[in-house]
Amino acid sequence: KQEVTQIPAALSVPEGENLVLNCSFTDSAIYNLQWFRQDPGKGLTSLLLIQSSQREQTSGRLNASLDKSSGRSTLYIAASQPGDSATYLCAVKGVGKPDKLIFGTGTRLQVFP
Amino acid sequence: NAGVTQTPKFQVLKTGQSMTLQCAQDMNHEYMSWYRQDPGMGLRLIHYSVGAGITDQGEVPNGYNVSRSTTEDFPLRLLSAAPSQTSVYFCASSSLRERGGRETQYFGPGTRLLVL
Repeated sequence: KQEVTQIPAALSVPEGENLVLNCSFTDSAIYNLQWFRQDPGKGLTSLLLIQSSQREQTSGRLNASLDKSSGRSTLYIAASQPGDSATYLCAVKGVGKPDKLIFGTGTRLQVFP
Repeated sequence: NAGVTQTPKFQVLKTGQSMTLQCAQDMNHEYMSWYRQDPGMGLRLIHYSVGAGITDQGEVPNGYNVSRSTTEDFPLRLLSAAPSQTSVYFCASSSLRERGGRETQYFGPGTRLLVL
């Protein structure tokens, strides 16, 4: 059974720092991995999607990497800003399972001025 | 494009009452799903559908019913509400037309349900 773990559960950093959020999964037979952002009381917004054949994806200050063989993904946020404060969730889609995402419990990020 | 919409935003029920959470999308997506989000447990899949007339169970289907009579709508029914169903419910949709793992899931804003 696929399990997704995110470490750390919470992170508080000063503005301007570069930071890394970690996601690990137990079954390497994945179709893709997605990183989401969730603001308090809101829905989820997709940030980056990495296909199983890819090693990384970039969008602005965000870079996500995928190492399928070791069951790990990282989300790198460059030059963090207070507006980046949110909970970040990773989710994997297993092979042969149409769009059934397995989510981690998230990393709650606070960036203070 | 409104994306994925959910109603109501917040609902209070008494134990044993029934209700329907509404979900609609205007992106012509084949795939729609319902998740519940609970503190410390992440999002868990309740039911999903790959097209009109086709539904299947996720991880935590007990106590919930779904139907998919149109591509746009995917309502979630609570048959007899229990306090354990207090949660935040999210509806999501995606296209199955793209292959190669490129399907991004789009989420609605959520419905907060409190069962007393």
